[in-house]
Amino acid sequence: ETGVTQSPTHLIKTRGQQVTLRCSSQSGHNTVSWYQQALGQGPQFIFQYYREEENGRGNFPPRFSGLQFPNYSSELNVNALELDDSALYLCASMLASGGDTQYFGPGTRLTVL
Amino acid sequence: QKEVEQNSGPLSVPEGAIASLNCTYSDRGSQSFFWYRQYSGKSPELIMFIYSNGDKEDGRFTAQLNKASQYVSLLIRDSQPSDSATYLCAVKKPSSNTGKLIFGQGTTLQVKP
Repeated sequence: ETGVTQSPTHLIKTRGQQVTLRCSSQSGHNTVSWYQQALGQGPQFIFQYYREEENGRGNFPPRFSGLQFPNYSSELNVNALELDDSALYLCASMLASGGDTQYFGPGTRLTVL
Repeated sequence: QKEVEQNSGPLSVPEGAIASLNCTYSDRGSQSFFWYRQYSGKSPELIMFIYSNGDKEDGRFTAQLNKASQYVSLLIRDSQPSDSATYLCAVKKPSSNTGKLIFGQGTTLQVKP
């Protein structure tokens, strides 16, 4: 157990809808990253939040957005869902001053129909 | 050329044997290297990280880093059926001031009883 939790576990949406995924970081971890993992692929970096500010973004369109709250919990929002958004969404927390080690939550499996 | 490359496998070894998993990366300035294990349907679990050239041992696991050859490997001694999983190699980009990790696509390991 990493202490990182995510909700919901599974989600089914239809194309064009919007979705919000949630993550609670490990206690004391002030940095959270979100990744998308398609079937058979490694995780791809979406973005990272540190102290409630986005401080890094991967190659994902603006319809992927996020928030980090004062308690370091986080949300990933995806608008105008596309079929290719079907994937496992992972959040990973780390302590900014504690090296580069990231700990993943259990993930949310999103299916877009 | 992919930034992090792994042979997708499957790599099949008999129980008790040594499993050798390999990873190459393209950015010569990369500093931090990670191995994650991912069981089917689960999220990645950190096994080891390595920052310096040479070997780093933790129980049955040994990570090996050769920065000159841009090569990192994971050895699993006395392989057990419970080691059957996908192993993900991840590299932190040197130019990144975030925790962004670049993952390979993973190598599937099968340990046969």
